[in-house]
Amino acid sequence: DAGVTQTPRHEVAEKGQTIILKCEPVSGHNDLFWYRQTKIQGLELLSYFRSKSLMEDGGAFKDRFKAEMLNSSFSTLKIQPTEPKDSAVYLCASSLQGGTEVFFGKGTRLTVV
Amino acid sequence: AQSVTQPDARVTVSEGASLQLRCKYSYSGTPYLFWYVQYPRQGLQLLLKYYSGDPVVQGVNGFEAEFIKSNSSFHLRKASVHWSDSAVYFCAVSYNYAQGLTFGLGTRVSVFP
Repeated sequence: DAGVTQTPRHEVAEKGQTIILKCEPVSGHNDLFWYRQTKIQGLELLSYFRSKSLMEDGGAFKDRFKAEMLNSSFSTLKIQPTEPKDSAVYLCASSLQGGTEVFFGKGTRLTVV
Repeated sequence: AQSVTQPDARVTVSEGASLQLRCKYSYSGTPYLFWYVQYPRQGLQLLLKYYSGDPVVQGVNGFEAEFIKSNSSFHLRKASVHWSDSAVYFCAVSYNYAQGLTFGLGTRVSVFP
């Protein structure tokens, strides 16, 4: 039973690099979310897609963060250029449209040095 | 804007003792309310949810939560904790099912034998 799959699990980047995080939602789910998780800020919504259309782009994260949903079963989050303050766990989640439960992946831990 | 407050960053309990985790939300209407748990190096998993009806909802692993509208609260309870309940617990709210979940900062629970 495949849940939400995120790759890689860990990523180390140098300041200024471009990194791409990947996510495969649960098969059949229409809604896809990207969250950033830090100890200080907790979970912050970066992007929200419904049926591949961007519904919310997380305001403050617009300038260097870009999420895309290339097809219904694959999404990417690009951070360009990376900064040390981007070090965090990035969580992808999906749900059925109007569904009652959001399923989370295990996350990608990003460290920017 | 909606917000969620979990006043206790850390809670320590002995195995077999009862547990209550507090959650208060700020929203003018009646939101959809959720509790999630995050085990080390894992994504978030849904414990329980409230939409309407009976204000006491049952979840997995013996957890329950009570919605008190007059207090804008949704506290989580468990009668007798096990060491495996050690994790971080997140309260979350939404206007509309899973769309744009807003999370609290979480409460880290440590259960000692």
